[in-house]
Amino acid sequence: NAGVMQNPRHLVRRRGQEARLRCSPMKGHSHVYWYRQLPEEGLKFMVYLQKENIIDESGMPKERFSAEFPKEGPSILRIQQVVRGDSAAYFCASSPRTGGDHSLEQFFGPGTRLTVL
Amino acid sequence: ELKVEQNPLFLSMQEGKNYTIYCNYSTTSDRLYWYRQDPGKSLESLFVLLSNGAVKQEGRLMASLDTKARLSTLHITAAVHDLSATYFCAVDIALEELVFGKGTKLTVNP
Repeated sequence: NAGVMQNPRHLVRRRGQEARLRCSPMKGHSHVYWYRQLPEEGLKFMVYLQKENIIDESGMPKERFSAEFPKEGPSILRIQQVVRGDSAAYFCASSPRTGGDHSLEQFFGPGTRLTVL
Repeated sequence: ELKVEQNPLFLSMQEGKNYTIYCNYSTTSDRLYWYRQDPGKSLESLFVLLSNGAVKQEGRLMASLDTKARLSTLHITAAVHDLSATYFCAVDIALEELVFGKGTKLTVNP
């Protein structure tokens, strides 16, 4: 069973460009979470999605950031008009949430390291 | 707003020694997770603690949860160099997001 997959692993963008980060959850997982990690910091929650639905986006900046998890294909985190402060590692996690406490556990992908020049 | 505090944030220890990392959180939760992160890598799940009094052990690491005190501990026994990494605790909110501590960067010296 393949783990959570993210691509690209490294992404370099110039200020003002768009960054598009992809996340494929583990097989059988229909819940996806995005987190951002700044250097020497813990992870900060951004958004929680289920297939075709945004459940909680309370951690996501109101402007320039958007996320989707379509019926088919990976979840996408999009950052428009990137600025230097967007440079960070972005992690995706997935969980099955099929019932029972252990199904709530989140499994993390390898992350995408975004560098804005 | 849930706050999760870890201490210490930096820990340098000699091989063979024991030490404990503490994780305090500010509101009620029955689910706490410990993760390990190596530099430039993702998070590896170490322990899932789901109830008051839960204790789990894996190798030289043991984690416990006291929900009444809102405290979890990660105890390291007879540390070895391979344990050098950053350790995060995380508490879940309302079955949705995880709130992470800032992490404890552990360096085990020969």
